[in-house]
Amino acid sequence: EDKVVQSPLSLVVHEGDTVTLNCSYEVTNFRSLLWYKQEKKAPTFLFMLTSSGIEKKSGRLSSILDKKELFSILNITATQTGDSAIYLCAVRGSGNTGKLIFGQGTTLQVKP
Amino acid sequence: SQTIHQWPATLVQPVGSPLSLECTVEGTSNPNLYWYRQAAGRGLQLLFYSVGIGQISSEVPQNLSASRPQDRQFILSSKKLLLSDSGFYLCAWSVLTVNNEQFFGPGTRLTVL
Repeated sequence: EDKVVQSPLSLVVHEGDTVTLNCSYEVTNFRSLLWYKQEKKAPTFLFMLTSSGIEKKSGRLSSILDKKELFSILNITATQTGDSAIYLCAVRGSGNTGKLIFGQGTTLQVKP
Repeated sequence: SQTIHQWPATLVQPVGSPLSLECTVEGTSNPNLYWYRQAAGRGLQLLFYSVGIGQISSEVPQNLSASRPQDRQFILSSKKLLLSDSGFYLCAWSVLTVNNEQFFGPGTRLTVL
């Protein structure tokens, strides 16, 4: 059965800290791994990773995929209170439907 | 540009009552459409997806059903709500090409009492 596991489930840090969020997966015929940020309502897209070892970066956020060890990390440097959110990892496997399998999410709280 | 709408934004319904949640997408044609449910503080569970009009696939046996009467309209329904149907329901779309991101609507928070 396809599965995505995120850790930690929750995390509290102070502004300026660096955090690393983890996502491990088991999926048939891996196609891609996606990261989303969910603040109050709709998750917003952050990154899509398809190849191992290639870092994707957007401002203070970066992510990398390891297809051999079946995991990805999302790094946030110099955290701000606006980074407080649920971070969702999702994986796309085989088939032509494009459907995603989501992890439980990591709830990040950044304190001033 | 593409936009996705969901309504209502919040809903409180008694057990045993019917349900109809609507999702519409603008600015694209023939999207893949998805319904997810999110329990409090949890990840997203895929309920249904559709690759075309009238084509619905169910991921989890449950009290809910979905329909796609038009290309850019996706409806989630129930004949009789259960307490366990409470949650945050999200609709999403993606372009027909398989390996693309999904874009989410604002969601409907459903409370069944």
